[in-house]
Order: sequence, then structure tokens, then C-alpha cells
Amino acid sequence: DADVTQTPRNRITKTGKRIMLECSQTKGHDRMYWYRQDPGLGLRLIYYSFDVKDINKGEISDGYSVSRQAQAKFSLSLESAIPNQTALYFCATQSGSAYGYTFGSGTRLTVV
Amino acid sequence: ILNVEQSPQSLHVQEGDSTNFTCSFPSSNFYALHWYRWETAKSPEALFVMTLNGDEKKKGRISATLNTKEGYSYLYIKGSQPEDSATYLCAFFMDSNYQLIWGAGTKLIIKP
Repeated sequence: DADVTQTPRNRITKTGKRIMLECSQTKGHDRMYWYRQDPGLGLRLIYYSFDVKDINKGEISDGYSVSRQAQAKFSLSLESAIPNQTALYFCATQSGSAYGYTFGSGTRLTVV
Repeated sequence: ILNVEQSPQSLHVQEGDSTNFTCSFPSSNFYALHWYRWETAKSPEALFVMTLNGDEKKKGRISATLNTKEGYSYLYIKGSQPEDSATYLCAFFMDSNYQLIWGAGTKLIIKP
């Protein structure tokens, strides 16, 4: 099993629909992140969490919300999906500042 | 605005040749510099986390150097192989509790 699991892998949804992307990890890491990747751009941070009760906005949090239900789980929600939220979404974990990230396999979301 | 720049954007290299590419980042408030390899249809994988000026790290045929005073890092690949084809991402950590700022990547294609 993967250390960081994202579900679903691919999703097509309609404009205005609510959608949730799930991320779970077996690394035991406290730090979890949600990123989106668009062609030609670097990864951009949506939200991050350093603990179960800790939620922080990233660079592009508008239109998104998150929930850190447990150390191992970090969910990303699009309350009302719009076409410019079509992107590849990555969840990542980190044990501390001096360490690299472990990424999930990504969720490719298309909003039509 | 904090910016991480990677050059070149893409690179074609003959199998067996050595190559290198650059990551430029702000030289103030440096904490760490990350390198990742991102193969097509997979998720980014951490290569190196570098924290000290003058640091050199090596993993097989891949190595990296770091100059925090002038704000750049080089990634070197010796004797390129087809499996080295990937996008190489660098990311800058400004201080211990800040988030990574990502470059857009260098796409490396190894020609057999």
C-alpha cells in the first residue's frame, strides 16, 4: 500500500457541484499539505495543517476548504466547483522542516 | 514577491552525456532547498533537502550543490540514462515554519 493515498484518482464533475478529495497517510507525519498543479506553473499551496486542530490557508485557498479529521487524514473540498479549478491535485506529508515531502499519486479533477 | 526560477525549462540530452540545470531562489532568510524528481504519471519524489551553504549531496549518478549567499543550486546528472527522463523540481523553504515555494521545473528528456 502507498504511504500517501489519494482518492479518487480521476474525477469529472459539473460546475456548481460540491466535491471532496480525500488523502490518508501511514507515515505518521504531522504536517499535511494540499497543492494544485496547472500546466506551466509550479505547485501552488491551497491549505496546510501541522496538527489535527491546525488549519492554515495557502497561496490559493479561495473556493476551497479542508478538514483534518485525524493525524492520518486531510480532506479537500470544493464547495461549488468551477471550471478553472480543473487541475491536478496533490496531497503531501512531511515529518518536519528539514525533511522532504512524500506525495500522494494525485487526483486529476475536471470541472465541466 | 518570492520567486523560484528554474532553467532551462526543458532539455534534451543524449543518452550517456552528463547534464546540469539551475534553480535560483531568494538569498535572504534561507532555511532549506529541496529537489524532487517527477516522472510522468507518477508523483514527485524527494531527491535532496539541502540546508547548508556549500552543501553537496549525491544519490547515485545525481548530485546537487548549494550556494545560499548568491541564491542558486545546481543539479547534475552524470551519464544520463533513459530512466532519468523526468521533470526536476526545486523548492525553497524561507524559514522553518514557512511553506515551500516551488519552481516550475526543468523537463529533462534523454534521447537514446
